[in-house]
Amino acid sequence: GAGVSQSPRYKVAKRGQDVALRCDPISGHVSLFWYQQALGQGPEFLTYFQNEAQLDKSGLPSDRFFAERPEGSVSTLKIQRTQQEDSAVYLCASSSRHRTSGGAGELFFGEGSRLTVL
Amino acid sequence: AQSVAQPEDQVNVAEGNPLTVKCTYSVSGNPYLFWYVQYPNRGLQFLLKYITGDNLVKGSYGFEAEFNKSQTSFHLKKPSALVSDSALYFCAVRDPSGNTPLVFGKGTRLSVIA
Repeated sequence: GAGVSQSPRYKVAKRGQDVALRCDPISGHVSLFWYQQALGQGPEFLTYFQNEAQLDKSGLPSDRFFAERPEGSVSTLKIQRTQQEDSAVYLCASSSRHRTSGGAGELFFGEGSRLTVL
Repeated sequence: AQSVAQPEDQVNVAEGNPLTVKCTYSVSGNPYLFWYVQYPNRGLQFLLKYITGDNLVKGSYGFEAEFNKSQTSFHLKKPSALVSDSALYFCAVRDPSGNTPLVFGKGTRLSVIA
């Protein structure tokens, strides 16, 4: 597609429910990032994929958070047993460059998935 | 670890006046610096970046930013603000190795008043 697509745009979950958020990056982009943006805050890094390999998951806040990108394109962020503190906008971004490549390609962001946990 | 500070939560400026949105950073070695803009209910959009070379970088929509190594700053500027520039602006930094993620500031809300 023309840009990064995320779904659902809005998700309301009851505490304890599992949720899955989908990201469809720009075709051909090798790098994919997930960020969490709490209200009034900047995006905070969650995890990074280079193609299908999850090379950095240092930002995942707990083992309830799990991400995958099995075929190196679409990615899913799964949150198990959601808690109220998980309420945030989850942003996906992709880039044509490897994170460690020379230079610094900019990230292309989706519109985000707003998760509200009641 | 790298970090970014945006000292102003909100900046108000009259249309037609120059604007500045401040950013300071902390990183080991030479930084890669970025500015992104976020309009309501939209994803972040890349504005400009500093990698190396000329300290004054020009970006989209007439914005520019000046890298100042001695002051560890990368302030965003525009000579003449437009009402349509009203949005949330994020400064971000990463180290050149690429082994650490892009780190964002908390954002500055710019309001341009007609």
